[in-house]
Amino acid sequence: GENVEQHPSTLSVQEGDSAVIKCTYSDSASNYFPWYKQELGKRPQLIIDIRSNVGEKKDQRIAVTLNKTAKHFSLHITETQPEDSAVYFCPGAYPQENNAGNMLTFGGGTRLMVKP
Amino acid sequence: DADVTQTPRNRITKTGKRIMLECSQTKGHDRMYWYRQDPGLGLRLIYYSFDVKDINKGEISDGYSVSRQAQAKFSLSLESAIPNQTALYFCATSDGGHPGTEAFFGQGTRLTVV
Repeated sequence: GENVEQHPSTLSVQEGDSAVIKCTYSDSASNYFPWYKQELGKRPQLIIDIRSNVGEKKDQRIAVTLNKTAKHFSLHITETQPEDSAVYFCPGAYPQENNAGNMLTFGGGTRLMVKP
Repeated sequence: DADVTQTPRNRITKTGKRIMLECSQTKGHDRMYWYRQDPGLGLRLIYYSFDVKDINKGEISDGYSVSRQAQAKFSLSLESAIPNQTALYFCATSDGGHPGTEAFFGQGTRLTVV
């Protein structure tokens, strides 16, 4: 199973600055690392993900980096804009007692506030 | 995204009433989940189902029950609603329980228990 810890819980940046959110995981067998964004009053949606066979993936102003040795992956947002203000989640998975599969948990997330 | 639909979108109910929240999906996914979200807090897993015959408790199942009527439908019930069950509820689906696939969320149901 997977134990994922996310930091920080809140992050405030000035518009135009960069933001970095980090998740550490415990299961060395993990091979998929997603990031979800939830805007106020809306549903969470996947914004970027990475598989363990690559170290970095970019999509315009967002990127995810993976450090398998240290067991952490990070979300990077450059040139932040007010619309980046949201809660960001890196979900983890915990095994069922009967080993039938993993339940998908999202935790507390990181609240990013971009100040104009 | 109408692939995962929750009904109702908003509901106000009285303490002690039974209420059912419904979720249906057209994505053909086997796995479905119910989460609750409280103001300023993250998502907490209530129940999840890997297929029609499979129901599992999540992190906070007390006071809730679920029914998987078909692959496409997963309902959440509050047998006797209480005020601290006031929250935003999300249903989600995924193609397989491994986190290696994307989870798709419904638009949420805002429940208020008075």
